[in-house]
Amino acid sequence: DSGVTQTPKHLITATGQRVTLRCSPRSGDLSVYWYQQSLDQGLQFLIHYYNGEERAKGNILERFSAQQFPDLHSELNLSSLELGDSALYFCASSVGTGPHEKLFFGSGTQLSVL
Amino acid sequence: AQRVTQPEKLLSVFKGAPVELKCNYSYSGSPELFWYVQYSRQRLQLLLRHISRESIKGFTADLNKGETSFHLKKPFAQEEDSAMYYCALKSYTGANSKLTFGKGITLSVRP
Repeated sequence: DSGVTQTPKHLITATGQRVTLRCSPRSGDLSVYWYQQSLDQGLQFLIHYYNGEERAKGNILERFSAQQFPDLHSELNLSSLELGDSALYFCASSVGTGPHEKLFFGSGTQLSVL
Repeated sequence: AQRVTQPEKLLSVFKGAPVELKCNYSYSGSPELFWYVQYSRQRLQLLLRHISRESIKGFTADLNKGETSFHLKKPFAQEEDSAMYYCALKSYTGANSKLTFGKGITLSVRP
């Protein structure tokens, strides 16, 4: 157990809907990363938050947004869902900086858009 | 822009055979590279970092800046090494950083 908690584990919804994925980092970790994993694209970096502030953005669609709250948990909001958004969404928190940084991953949320 | 390329999707070897999982990167800055591993039904976890220059579970990886590579090697594969392996590159824009992963390679070690 990495100490990173993601809920829900599975989510089934329909096209056009909106969902919220939640991530609780390890105690004391200030960084939260979000990744999308699909068979053809592998692990795609979406966004990075550090202590409530957005630090870096990757291939995140405008329909997607995220935030990190004062208690350091993070939420990833996906709206106007399309079939292609079906994927495994991971979050990770980290300790250390620079080349010493180590990410701890959650078990992911499997999103199925029907 | 930074990029991580893992050219193979699958590597299948027999137990005891040497293993080399290839990783090439593209980045204009000073690279910071990592290997992450995901065993069956387990979470993705850090295997090793280039900065540490250590051997983890018999695996080593050397950063070759001339060839822009960070291949993962193990002289004698074990069945328990079967997993998905991801190479990752940390890049910076000012003080901000992100970790970019390759598409991963499945290592299958047969008895």
